[in-house]
Amino acid sequence: NAGVTQTPKFQVLKTGQSMTLQCAQDMNHNSMYWYRQDPGMGLRLIYYSASEGTTDKGEVPNGYNVSRLNKREFSLRLESAAPSQTSVYFCASSGDGQGYEQYFGPGTRLTVT
Amino acid sequence: GQQVMQIPQYQHVQEGEDFTTYCNSSTTLSNIQWYKQRPGGHPVFLIQLVKSGEVKKQKRLTFQFGEAKKNSSLHITATQTTDVGTYFCAGPGTNAGKSTFGDGTTLTVKP
Repeated sequence: NAGVTQTPKFQVLKTGQSMTLQCAQDMNHNSMYWYRQDPGMGLRLIYYSASEGTTDKGEVPNGYNVSRLNKREFSLRLESAAPSQTSVYFCASSGDGQGYEQYFGPGTRLTVT
Repeated sequence: GQQVMQIPQYQHVQEGEDFTTYCNSSTTLSNIQWYKQRPGGHPVFLIQLVKSGEVKKQKRLTFQFGEAKKNSSLHITATQTTDVGTYFCAGPGTNAGKSTFGDGTTLTVKP
């Protein structure tokens, strides 16, 4: 039972390059999330998926796209990376509705030069 | 949207001193969650409070939910170096399933 896994752990991109961050969970959760965390700051929600086939914008969706491939997997794509997207990206999953704790993956540390 | 505000942003203590972080909301919260993030790590769920005036303890950690369900606190008694990290509160978001995280309080402990 691995919980939430993310790949890659580290990535360096040049401005304008694209990449996809992968996330998978094995807890049979319906809800999955992508957050970004900038140095010394809190967690800002990028996108959210309540179930397979549905996605919803969070607080900071610009410059990102997501795909809920199946119940287990939720990917985040940067089509044209910008230095402002340098951050740590966390994927999380939770049970349905309000009041369920979120389980976070180990994060992807992305630098855009 | 709904926001939760956390204070202080940073707290530096000597090992053995107590520590408290506060979480405040302008609206009534149905529940409040607390998470801890160690330096370089990911947030880990600590506890959830649901009832008005609820108090829960985990060893040296005491969590409280206000009577009006608009504020919460986390108190650590006799801090240890293992307590270092950032403590986040999270309230329910405006849409089902989403949470709104505070900006966190970063605790450093001097041995």
